[in-house]
Amino acid sequence: GAGVSQSPRYKVTKRGQDVALRCDPISGHVSLYWYRQALGQGPEFLTYFNYEAQQDKSGLPNDRFSAERPEGSISTLTIQRTEQRDSAMYRCASSPTGTGGGNTIYFGEGSWLTVV
Amino acid sequence: DQQVKQNSPSLSVQEGRISILNCDYTNSMFDYFLWYKKYPAEGPTFLISISSIKDKNEDGRFTVFLNKSAKHLSLHIVPSQPGDSAVYFCAASPLLGGSRLTFGEGTQLTVNP
Repeated sequence: GAGVSQSPRYKVTKRGQDVALRCDPISGHVSLYWYRQALGQGPEFLTYFNYEAQQDKSGLPNDRFSAERPEGSISTLTIQRTEQRDSAMYRCASSPTGTGGGNTIYFGEGSWLTVV
Repeated sequence: DQQVKQNSPSLSVQEGRISILNCDYTNSMFDYFLWYKKYPAEGPTFLISISSIKDKNEDGRFTVFLNKSAKHLSLHIVPSQPGDSAVYFCAASPLLGGSRLTFGEGTQLTVNP
């Protein structure tokens, strides 16, 4: 597609439920990133992939959070046993190349997660 | 530990005047710096970047200045236009090790007609 596409745009879930957030990156982009953004804050890095390989998951807050990108394109961020503190905007981003820094990354519109 | 800080949560400027947004960082490993602009209900969009080998990068009305010794960068917008009203995020990354970006908290710029 033309841009990074995320679904669902809005998700309300009950505490303790699992949620899966989907990201479809810009076609052909090697790298895919997940960020989390709380109100009034900048995006906070969670994890990123080059192709299907998860290169860095040091930003995932705990083991309830996981991500996969099995075919090197679409990615899913899964949060198990959700808690109210997980409520935030979850943003996916992609960039064309995977090696080194200095690359511009392109963000999707995000998925708003509310845990009640 | 906030490695990238934008100390001004908001800035208000008259149309046609200069807007100056500031950003400070603490991590000396950062070598690449970017500014993103975000409108409501949209994702952040890339605006301009600068690598540490430069001290200035200009793109139309937007100029980014980098002072490595002070670990400070700024974004100048001149002349400011009402359509520039948005939240501006400063971000930084090391040149090596991928494009993991560390963002500041953002500054809400309002340009008044």
